[in-house]
Amino acid sequence: QKEVEQDPGPLSVPEGAIVSLNCTYSNSAFQYFMWYRQYSRKGPELLMYTYSSGNKEDGRFTAQVDKSSKYISLFIRDSQPSDSATYLCAMSRPNDYKLSFGAGTTVTVRA
Amino acid sequence: DAGVIQSPRHEVTEMGQEVTLRCKPISGHDYLFWYRQTMMRGLELLIYFNNNVPIDDSGMPEDRFSAKMPNASFSTLKIQPSEPRDSAVYFCAIDPGQGASGANVLTFGAGSRLTVL
Repeated sequence: QKEVEQDPGPLSVPEGAIVSLNCTYSNSAFQYFMWYRQYSRKGPELLMYTYSSGNKEDGRFTAQVDKSSKYISLFIRDSQPSDSATYLCAMSRPNDYKLSFGAGTTVTVRA
Repeated sequence: DAGVIQSPRHEVTEMGQEVTLRCKPISGHDYLFWYRQTMMRGLELLIYFNNNVPIDDSGMPEDRFSAKMPNASFSTLKIQPSEPRDSAVYFCAIDPGQGASGANVLTFGAGSRLTVL
């Protein structure tokens, strides 16, 4: 079993829809949770990060962490075609520079 | 991608040939990482450096892989001899070091796409 599980999709939604992405993990020592966005033929770029449990909002993006369930989510409101990309979750332990990545979910937002 | 320059962007080579991938961090960093990405296995950490010193190379698949960081502005990943199963996109990434946030804020390069025939 992988340390971080993420459904690779693909996920296709119409413009303006809410996109819901999630990951589950098995290592309870993870404290930092990140979402990276990767456009085709590009490197991943950090979208958001959260520490421990709770919610974080940044514009149209909301990240949620539920440590009791070992479950993290990313929501994209009012999705745009420019949001079409692969979204990777990643997590790490305190003072550990080794990130554990999910497989990535490919999202297409149809105009 | 502006923080990390990788070259070559694409490389096609034949099995048995030596491959050298290059990484030039542009912005300041304490840590440098080499990742490999494939459809089957996703993003895998190969090795990382702290202040130019290799810290963890447990992800390097075989002795055919080696990485060096002679200075803070340059790193190489070498595969010798290359095999078709090495075909992947190889990313270099930097981390300025955990600040108050404690999170791993990586800046990735655009990647080097390697095809071994």
